[in-house]
Amino acid sequence: GQQLNQSPQSMFIQEGEDVSMNCTSSSIFNTWLWYKQDPGEGPVLLIALYKAGELTSNGRLTAQFGITRKDSFLNISASIPSDVGIYFCAGQLGAGGTSYGKLTFGQGTILTVHP
Amino acid sequence: ETGVTQSPTHLIKTRGQQVTLRCSSQSGHNTVSWYQQALGQGPQFIFQYYREEENGRGNFPPRFSGLQFPNYSSELNVNALELDDSALYLCASSHITGTGTLSGANVLTFGAGSRLTVL
Repeated sequence: GQQLNQSPQSMFIQEGEDVSMNCTSSSIFNTWLWYKQDPGEGPVLLIALYKAGELTSNGRLTAQFGITRKDSFLNISASIPSDVGIYFCAGQLGAGGTSYGKLTFGQGTILTVHP
Repeated sequence: ETGVTQSPTHLIKTRGQQVTLRCSSQSGHNTVSWYQQALGQGPQFIFQYYREEENGRGNFPPRFSGLQFPNYSSELNVNALELDDSALYLCASSHITGTGTLSGANVLTFGAGSRLTVL
């Protein structure tokens, strides 16, 4: 099935460093989302973006909805050990209420933070 | 507030068998979506249930079917299991108001998943 192109596939960083990951698509999305998944758990929503060009922050996380509607990035500043996990971007095609459950996910970025 | 709960957490089946996975939606949510997550991949949308009816389907064959019950809980059924069906199956719930708009837009709450292994 269709998936978004997410990069990098994995990152190994030192605690305190900043992290950047991005997601691109050949299709336009009306909403971009970023999720984090810990081992043995389901994905947890970090940030939701609803408008092209929108820049949104959630604590140390910042994400942007690309102006072309075909890309998004997520930045994590001053990483800490609990940031370890798999980060997924997800796009939503439709604009109607019942389409909100139908998301297209990227392949994920595995983040490892060394203390 | 109760989150999304799924059962069983793990199960092993053999090729050709049938499996039923269960999901209880978060309190106050009326919509359930099912996703398949293969190892090392992102989740892929299977289908969504709203008002006890299938409301949209991803690229999955008819042997993947589901139900939603009046209490908004849901089941995913897979017939004639194949080796490639081995995956983590995630259920996610959300709320749609009577006007068709989503409350807390896009806040899909995922369960921890059911890990299916097909031998």
